[in-house]
Amino acid sequence: DGGITQSPKYLFRKEGQNVTLSCEQNLNHDAMYWYRQDPGQGLRLIYYSQIVNDFQKGDIAEGYSVSREKKESFPLTVTSAQKNPTAFYLCASSIRQGSSNQPQHFGDGTRLSIL
Amino acid sequence: GQNIDQPTEMTATEGAIVQINCTYQTSGFNGLFWYQQHAGEAPTFLSYNVLDGLEEKGRFSSFLSRSKGYSYLLLKELQMKDSASYLCAVRVGATNKLIFGTGTLLAVQP
Repeated sequence: DGGITQSPKYLFRKEGQNVTLSCEQNLNHDAMYWYRQDPGQGLRLIYYSQIVNDFQKGDIAEGYSVSREKKESFPLTVTSAQKNPTAFYLCASSIRQGSSNQPQHFGDGTRLSIL
Repeated sequence: GQNIDQPTEMTATEGAIVQINCTYQTSGFNGLFWYQQHAGEAPTFLSYNVLDGLEEKGRFSSFLSRSKGYSYLLLKELQMKDSASYLCAVRVGATNKLIFGTGTLLAVQP
């Protein structure tokens, strides 16, 4: 079945450490997105990519980095510059064009905590 | 700026009907989506509106008024499993990028 796979499900980070969250999709979608969700809050966009080898900052990109070397993969690195990284991270994908009823599809998320 | 408002929490009774409202002020409106999210899980797509009017899908319906910047999600015959957060999201521009509201946490009581 097609879908989006995020790994790991739970991740712990030590102070001053970079960590990378994996996101893989086999839906043949051009566009991919990373969101952060804090308790009781909605989804805030970190980075998004409309096509391979291209990506744009979202609303809260500081302290994060991404790459898009393959269509299927969009890993997110949480750097030591992100001072409050504890959150639920969601990856999504969609077709690129916004002219249809095709929604964004989400992975199951990665919960990141600080040790 | 872009802004989407939803009530923070709502409570309803099993078997009843509940309406969750969403108002938005955005530029370049190009569709509105409703998602359901159970605690600790991924959001799942419920409905989509781009033209004014009501879209019905089983126990769930969604309404849109573009002139008023207003949408609602109607849930009928509520079940305990409907206890979840409901997210309103607006697509702006020509891409599939979405702006999300903060979500409405619905508690269904026996």
